[in-house]
Amino acid sequence: AQTVTQSQPEMSVQEAETVTLSCTYDTSENNYYLFWYKQPPSRQMILVIRQEAYKQQNATENRFSVNFQKAAKSFSLKISDSQLGDTAMYFCAFMKHKSYDKVIFGPGTSLSVIP
Amino acid sequence: DVKVTQSSRYLVKRTGEKVFLECVQDMDHENMFWYRQDPGLGLRLIYFSYDVKMKEKGDIPEGYSVSREKKERFSLILESASTNQTSMYLCASSLRDGNQPQHFGDGTRLSIL
Repeated sequence: AQTVTQSQPEMSVQEAETVTLSCTYDTSENNYYLFWYKQPPSRQMILVIRQEAYKQQNATENRFSVNFQKAAKSFSLKISDSQLGDTAMYFCAFMKHKSYDKVIFGPGTSLSVIP
Repeated sequence: DVKVTQSSRYLVKRTGEKVFLECVQDMDHENMFWYRQDPGLGLRLIYFSYDVKMKEKGDIPEGYSVSREKKERFSLILESASTNQTSMYLCASSLRDGNQPQHFGDGTRLSIL
């Protein structure tokens, strides 16, 4: 069975600084997808970034980028130039390369951006 | 934009009651999901559905059932509510293509007294 681990329950970062959130996963699959979701306080969960396992190039979305290490089964999220609006719970998630399958979420990392 | 609407943001019920949580999506998504979210545990999948009248058990289906009579609506039912079902419940939907992310509703914070 697949598992997703986020070893940092809470993190903080100064505004405008860079922070990296860790995620590791366990799978025997070769093709799969990885996601980072963001859940601001009392607001809707939204997708931040996604990565297809067959792509070696790391995904980027504006200030958000990932460091995908397939052999190490590691998928960290880097947030550059942190903003107050980045304060949220961040969930790492894994999904096998099948249409009828479920997403496995990690326990989450609570990130606070400090002014 | 995809909109996933959950019928209530906050709900208070009593032990033993039958509780219905409703979820509607407006983007013709095939897949729909119900999760519960608890501190330190992340999101745990209760049930999901990949088509009308189809349902699959997730990781924690005990004490819950679901109904999907129409493509846009996915209902979660607590047959006889218990205090350990107090939680945040999140509904999500996605296209059948495995590459597509899930879109979430605002969540329902359910308290069972």
